[in-house]
Amino acid sequence: DGGITQSPKYLFRKEGQNVTLSCEQNLNHDAMYWYRQDPGQGLRLIYYSQIVNDFQKGDIAEGYSVSREKKESFPLTVTSAQKNPTAFYLCASSMGSGATQPQHFGDGTRLSIL
Amino acid sequence: GNSVTQMEGPVTLSEEAFLTINCTYTATGYPSLFWYVQYPGEGLQLLLKATKADDKGSNKGFEATYRKETTSFHLEKGSVQVSDSAVYFCALSDLNNAGNMLTFGGGTRLMVKP
Repeated sequence: DGGITQSPKYLFRKEGQNVTLSCEQNLNHDAMYWYRQDPGQGLRLIYYSQIVNDFQKGDIAEGYSVSREKKESFPLTVTSAQKNPTAFYLCASSMGSGATQPQHFGDGTRLSIL
Repeated sequence: GNSVTQMEGPVTLSEEAFLTINCTYTATGYPSLFWYVQYPGEGLQLLLKATKADDKGSNKGFEATYRKETTSFHLEKGSVQVSDSAVYFCALSDLNNAGNMLTFGGGTRLMVKP
C-alpha cells in the first residue's frame, strides 16, 4: 500500500546528542513537510521541501536540520541546539504545491529527553 | 497573515448526538479548507476538503460547507459514534502561498460516551 512511513515510533535523546527521524514515502509526491506537535496544541511547520535537493525553513526551524537527497526520503535531525525537543513529530507529503492538494501524514515519532 | 480559529474543547457528547465544531479563518488569498482527524497516538488523516466558496465537503457522515461570507468551515455530523472520539483540526491552504503549506487551528478534542 502507498503511504508515509516514519521511524522510529518512539525515540529518546540524551543531552548534547543529535538524533535523526526518518520519513519515507512511496506516493511519488514531490513535496514533503515536517511538523512539530506539542500536547494539546496544533501543528507547527519546521521545514518543507517542494523538490529534491531543495528545502525551506518553516516557522520553527531553529535547532533542526533536514536533507532531501531522494524524492522519497526527507529525514529530520534534531540537534543539540534544540533545547526543548520533547514533542510529537509528524511528516507529511503532497502531490504538488497547489493549494487544493491535501497533505498526507505519517503516524509520527514521539521524541523524549532522557 | 493567515489564521484558523477553532472552538476549544473538549466537546463531550452522548452517542447519536448532533455534532458541530466551529471553525473560522482569515486568509489573504483564496484558500482551500480542510478538516483532519487525529486518533490517539497516530498522525492526521484527511477527513474532507472544500476548494472554493459554497463547496460542501463530506465523508463518513461528516460535512462542512465553505462559507466565504462568514469565513467559516464548520464541521457537522448528524449522529456521532464512540469511534468518532478523536481530535479534529481545521486547516487552510492559500493559493497565494509560495507552496502548499497548511495553517492549522489548535484542534478540538471530541469525546463520545456510549
